[in-house]
Amino acid sequence: GAGVSQSPSNKVTEKGKDVELRCDPISGHTALYWYRQSLGQGLEFLIYFQGNSAPDKSGLPSDRFSAERTGGSVSTLTIQRTQQEDSAVYLCASSPKTGAYGYTFGSGTRLTVV
Amino acid sequence: AQSVTQPDIHITVSEGASLELRCNYSYGATPYLFWYVQSPGQGLQLLLKYFSGDTLVQGIKGFEAEFKRSQSSFNLRKPSVHWSDAAEYFCAVGAYYGGSQGNLIFGKGTKLSVKP
Repeated sequence: GAGVSQSPSNKVTEKGKDVELRCDPISGHTALYWYRQSLGQGLEFLIYFQGNSAPDKSGLPSDRFSAERTGGSVSTLTIQRTQQEDSAVYLCASSPKTGAYGYTFGSGTRLTVV
Repeated sequence: AQSVTQPDIHITVSEGASLELRCNYSYGATPYLFWYVQSPGQGLQLLLKYFSGDTLVQGIKGFEAEFKRSQSSFNLRKPSVHWSDAAEYFCAVGAYYGGSQGNLIFGKGTKLSVKP
């Protein structure tokens, strides 16, 4: 597609439920990143996929968080047993493999845990 | 470890005045540096980037930034601010491993308000 697409744009869930957030990167971009943006906290790196390499999961805050990327394209970030502190905007970005182009970000998914 | 510091949490300038947003980074090698802007309710948009070469880089919307290795800084400037520039600005530093770009480390952002 023309840009990075994220869905849903907003998600309200009850504490303890599981949620899935979807990211569709720009066609041809082999690198995909997930970040979390909390109020006043800037952007927190979560996970990074590059082609067929093992993902860099070093930013995932707990084992309740996981992500997968199918067919080198669409990615899903899953949060199990959501907690109120998981409330944030979850941003996805993609970039080409070669060259340090910076990222193209999606508009994010605003997650609210009540 | 890489880190980025944006010392100013919130800046207010008058429309038409000049602007400088500060960014300091910590990185062991030559960094790749970026500035992003985020308007309310929007995703992040890339303003400009520095990889190598000329240390003064031009970006979109009339912004420029200067890389100063000796000061580990990459400050963002604009000679005349417009009301539409009100947004949050993020500086980021990245690495480049074996032909692939790694993850970026972002500062906490500077919120810019513009007075009429």
